[in-house]
Amino acid sequence: DGGITQSPKYLFRKEGQNVTLSCEQNLNHDAMYWYRQDPGQGLRLIYYSQIVNDFQKGDIAEGYSVSREKKESFPLTVTSAQKNPTAFYLCASSRQGTDSGANVLTFGAGSRLTVL
Amino acid sequence: GQNIDQPTEMTATEGAIVQINCTYQTSGFNGLFWYQQHAGEAPTFLSYNVLDGLEEKGRFSSFLSRSKGYSYLLLKELQMKDSASYLCAVRAGGGNKLTFGTGTQLKVEL
Repeated sequence: DGGITQSPKYLFRKEGQNVTLSCEQNLNHDAMYWYRQDPGQGLRLIYYSQIVNDFQKGDIAEGYSVSREKKESFPLTVTSAQKNPTAFYLCASSRQGTDSGANVLTFGAGSRLTVL
Repeated sequence: GQNIDQPTEMTATEGAIVQINCTYQTSGFNGLFWYQQHAGEAPTFLSYNVLDGLEEKGRFSSFLSRSKGYSYLLLKELQMKDSASYLCAVRAGGGNKLTFGTGTQLKVEL
């Protein structure tokens, strides 16, 4: 079955440590995204990539970094510069196109990061 | 920037109909999406509107009025499993960046 796999599902880290969240998709989607979700807030876009070897900052990119070396993979690194890293992180992908099914986001199951 | 408003919480009875509203302010509107999210899980796609009018999909329907910056999600024949958060999201300009509202937590009671 095609889908998006995020790992790990739960992650605990000490303050000041960098951590990398994995996101892999086998949907052959060109575009991939990282969102952050906090209680009482909507999903906020961190970074997105529309093609391999290219990515753009979203609304809250500070303290985060990404890479897109392969179409299937879009890992997110939460650096020590991120002031409030504890959150639920969601990866998503979409295919490009003009039909009604294009550009619909398919989400992974999420990674919950807790910084102690 | 974009501003999206939806109620924080709603409660409805099993078997009833509920309407969840979403208002938005944006330039370069290019589509409105509704997603369902159960607690601790990934959002799943429900509906997409880009033109004015009603889109029906089984028990779920979504309406859009671009001139009013308004959409609603209509859920019929409510079931207990419909208890979830419903997210309204707007796409504007080129590309496929979505801006999400804070979500409406729906509780379905017996």
